[in-house]
Formats: sequence, C-alpha cells, structure tokens
Amino acid sequence: NAGVTQTPKFQVLKTGQSMTLQCAQDMNHEYMSWYRQDPGMGLRLIHYSVGAGITDQGEVPNGYNVSRSTTEDFPLRLLSAAPSQTSVYFCASSYSYGGRNTEAFFGQGTRLTVV
Amino acid sequence: AQKVTQAQTEISVVEKEDVTLDCVYETRDTTYYLFWYKQPPSGELVFLIRRNSFDEQNEISGRYSWNFQKSTSSFNFTITASQVVDSAVYFCALSEARYGGSQGNLIFGKGTKLSVKP
Repeated sequence: NAGVTQTPKFQVLKTGQSMTLQCAQDMNHEYMSWYRQDPGMGLRLIHYSVGAGITDQGEVPNGYNVSRSTTEDFPLRLLSAAPSQTSVYFCASSYSYGGRNTEAFFGQGTRLTVV
Repeated sequence: AQKVTQAQTEISVVEKEDVTLDCVYETRDTTYYLFWYKQPPSGELVFLIRRNSFDEQNEISGRYSWNFQKSTSSFNFTITASQVVDSAVYFCALSEARYGGSQGNLIFGKGTKLSVKP
C-alpha cells in the first residue's frame, strides 16, 4: 500500500518555466489537497478537491492550476514559475464519513526551487 | 475566521525533561477536528493525533499526552521524558466538518521547533 506518492522529490526551474507536480493516492480517498510550506509559515492550502471533477481554491491559489480527472490523481501545475514559488509542496488525501474528518495522509513532499 | 496559533516558535530542552507545546485555535463551528503532526528533519509529516470537538477527554500514548480544553480553545501537547528523537517541528492543525464541502481543509499553525539535546 503506497499511500500518497508525489513526484518529483526535487526540482529546479527557471523563472517562466512551467511544470506539473504529480500526486497519486491508492486509498480511494475522495478528498485531496495541495499545500505549500515556507519557513516560519506553516503549511498553507493551495487547491483542493472533494472528488473527481471537483476542485476549488485554497488560501494561496495564484499561479497554480489543478484538475481531478480520477479519484487517484491530483496534479498541480505551475503555469509560469516565479521565485516566490520556491517552496516545499505537499499533497494530501483524506476521507470523511458522516461528516467526520479523518486525518490527512501526506506525500513525502516536493522541494521546488525557482531561479 | 479559523486560526491556529502556536506561540512558541522554538523550544530547546535537555533529554529527559518534560516539554509542553501550546496550541490555541479559533473557529465559529461547533463541530471541528484538531490534529497534531510531527515533521522530523527528514521532512515528512507524521500524524500523531486527531481529536473531535465533542470529545474533551485527554489522551495519553506512551510518552505523549494531549490536553484538550474547549473553554480556553487549547489543544496542548506534552512530551514526557523527552528524547533526542523527539527533535522535530510540531504542527497543530484544525479542520471543520462541512457536509459536501471543504471538510478536508486543514488550517495549520506555524509550528514549534523542538530541539532535544543529549
């Protein structure tokens, strides 16, 4: 059981380049999300999805796109990378039952540097 | 508005000392969930505990214990007899229960970096 898998683990981009961070989960969780972690800021929500075909913005969505075509996959796209997007990115999945939230299961993270 | 405050940015203790990490939260919902996560130097996020708003019982798991007090909106975490392996950043987080909506969103505190010295 792999849980939540993120690729790549490390990435260096030049300003203006685009790329996609991949996230896949094999737990059949309906809820998936992307967070970014910056020093001293904790984790902040970028985008989330409550099921296939449904996505919405979080606290810091600018410069990022997401889509959810399947339950398993939730890729995060950087449209035109900027140095301000240098961060560690975490993908997470969870589920709820009768309104009760489970804990979020996190991927290993992607350390992105934009130069 | 929802908010999680971890006022302690960094704590340094000597091995075998007890240490308490503070967490204060704000929410308008009556149903919500509180979490603690550990982030060791290797960088992954490790789930420690989930507590729902209807259960104010304190919980103990080995050297770890949690004190949930709705009256003060606090969910503090105590490590007894700390060890070097406890050195990590600890995050407190809040989520709210909304049917069919953003029920999975976590609001994180900024974290407390704990250093346990031998």
